Amino acid sequence: AQKVTQAQTEISVVEKEDVTLDCVYETRDTTYYLFWYKQPPSGELVFLIRRNSFDEQNEISGRYSWNFQKSTSSFNFTITASQVVDSAVYFCALSEVNSGGSNYKLTFGKGTLLTVNP
Amino acid sequence: EPEVTQTPSHQVTQMGQEVILRCVPISNHLYFYWYRQILGQKVEFLVSFYNNEISEKSEIFDDQFSVERPDGSNFTLKIRSTKLEDSAMYFCASDRQGGVAFFGQGTRLTVV
Repeated sequence: AQKVTQAQTEISVVEKEDVTLDCVYETRDTTYYLFWYKQPPSGELVFLIRRNSFDEQNEISGRYSWNFQKSTSSFNFTITASQVVDSAVYFCALSEVNSGGSNYKLTFGKGTLLTVNP
Repeated sequence: EPEVTQTPSHQVTQMGQEVILRCVPISNHLYFYWYRQILGQKVEFLVSFYNNEISEKSEIFDDQFSVERPDGSNFTLKIRSTKLEDSAMYFCASDRQGGVAFFGQGTRLTVV
């Protein structure tokens, strides 16, 4: 069965600090997708990134970067120069493909509450 | 930019009543999902729907739950006889080709 672990329940930083959110996953599949979603206080789930299991290249998007390492089954997320608006719950998620490709359900971690203080 | 729309944003219902949560997925998407998030907890998969039928359902999705895509645009989740423990945020999501699931803003269901 697939599983996503976000060991950090809460992180608090001061604005402009860098912060890394950890994500470790378990799956028996060789083909899978990894995601990060942001849930701000307003409650919606905002897609941030998807990586497929064959692409271990790290990605940078502005102040956000992601480090995918299959050897350690980790997909960590770093925010550089954090801002107050980054305060949210961040979820890591894993998607496997069921037989026939009829379902790409997400398994979420428990989330990390990031608080960025001014 | 296309988005997934859910109505209502908040629903209060009495225990034992039926509720229908409505979703309009993104128009060219093929995969549809319902997820649930009990307050302060993680997001949990309920059911997936593809090619006009349920493709997978979780243990949570018991006989009290049903989904429909009645008219090719709407996607509904019905809870027949609500229980207190059904109180949660319910998210609808859609996905074009098994890639990225885009979520609606959620319906907060409160059962009293």
